[in-house]
Amino acid sequence: GEDVEQSLFLSVREGDSSVINCTYTDSSSTYLYWYKQEPGAGLQLLTYIFSNMDMKQDQRLTVLLNKKDKHLSLRIADTQTGDSAIYFCAESISSGGSNYKLTFGKGTLLTVNP
Amino acid sequence: NAGVTQTPKFRILKIGQSMTLQCTQDMNHNYMYWYRQDPGMGLKLIYYSVGAGITDKGEVPNGYNVSRSTTEDFPLRLELAAPSQTSVYFCASSRSTGSYEQYFGPGTRLTVT
Repeated sequence: GEDVEQSLFLSVREGDSSVINCTYTDSSSTYLYWYKQEPGAGLQLLTYIFSNMDMKQDQRLTVLLNKKDKHLSLRIADTQTGDSAIYFCAESISSGGSNYKLTFGKGTLLTVNP
Repeated sequence: NAGVTQTPKFRILKIGQSMTLQCTQDMNHNYMYWYRQDPGMGLKLIYYSVGAGITDKGEVPNGYNVSRSTTEDFPLRLELAAPSQTSVYFCASSRSTGSYEQYFGPGTRLTVT
């Protein structure tokens, strides 16, 4: 079945880069997503990558996709205290020819220390 | 645009009571979803809908019901609430084409005692 795995915790110092890793299982996933959840809030879409891409950059965020190893990473450059949150990786699930249902990992709690 | 809105924000129910969690989106999205989030877990899909009048079960549908009479609204009904339904509930919506990225509401925190 489908499963998305993430490490549960990451702690970095302010100004360093953060790298959050994710592995997924559905080789037919078309899109992979990164969401951010701040305490008491809903999930905010950060970025997504199409499965035929290797990399996508958006300001301080860089997404790397290794399709062969089914490995996705999110790099946050110059991490700030405001980046402290839970980060969820999600993959689209192929269902009846469509890819709109998502499977989420359990989330990585990023703590940024001043 | 308000995006996806959910009411109420918090609710405490007694075992056996019923309630409806409201969800509305103003982005004209055809697809809508209900998830529950338990501590330390990811999100589990309860029900989803690909358009008005069409709903389908997700991963954890037992104890819940939904309806979709309009594009904008997708209420989630809890009948005979149980302690196992204590959770945070999120509604989301997405377009029916393209990258299907889902946009989430702020959540409803439900406690059943």
